[in-house]
Amino acid sequence: AQKVTQAQTEISVVEKEDVTLDCVYETRDTTYYLFWYKQPPSGELVFLIRRNSFDEQNEISGRYSWNFQKSTSSFNFTITASQVVDSAVYFCALSERIVNRDDKIIFGKGTRLHILP
Amino acid sequence: DAGITQSPRHKVTETGTPVTLRCHQTENHRYMYWYRQDPGHGLRLIHYSYGVKDTDKGEVSDGYSVSRSKTEDFLLTLESATSSQTSVYFCAISELGTGGEVYGANVLTFGAGSRLTVL
Repeated sequence: AQKVTQAQTEISVVEKEDVTLDCVYETRDTTYYLFWYKQPPSGELVFLIRRNSFDEQNEISGRYSWNFQKSTSSFNFTITASQVVDSAVYFCALSERIVNRDDKIIFGKGTRLHILP
Repeated sequence: DAGITQSPRHKVTETGTPVTLRCHQTENHRYMYWYRQDPGHGLRLIHYSYGVKDTDKGEVSDGYSVSRSKTEDFLLTLESATSSQTSVYFCAISELGTGGEVYGANVLTFGAGSRLTVL
């Protein structure tokens, strides 16, 4: 069965430090998608990135970068030069195609990130 | 912004009463989902729908039922609410991925959430 593990429950770093959020997944499929979502203190859930299982290229978007490694079933998220506005709960998610049932999207438990000024 | 609204946004009810949460979308998206969010558990899938009258169970479906009679509405019902169902409920919608992907690569758009308190 599919599973997403975010072992870090809560992380605190001082502003301008780099921080990496870990995500490890389990799936039976060879075709799947991985996601990161952000939930700021206001409560809404915001999509950050999607990566499919055939594309292991790392991705960078400004201060955000993602490292996808199929060999270790990991999809880690790094924030460089963190800012107070990065304080949020971050969720990793996995989409696995279930035959005749289409996609079921499962989330990890989330990592709460505190950026201290 | 995607048109997705949840109602009610806040509800306080008593144990044993029925509760229905409504998710309404104006995007004509095929897929709709109900999640609950609880401290220490993150987001857990309750039920999802991949079309009108096509629904399936998620991780934590016990005590919940859903219905989807129209593309735009996905209802979550607690037949007899219990205190363990106190939670924040999020509805989400998605459409198939683009670019010729065979499998869905559904980016979820979430509603604002419904906070339910069962006393």
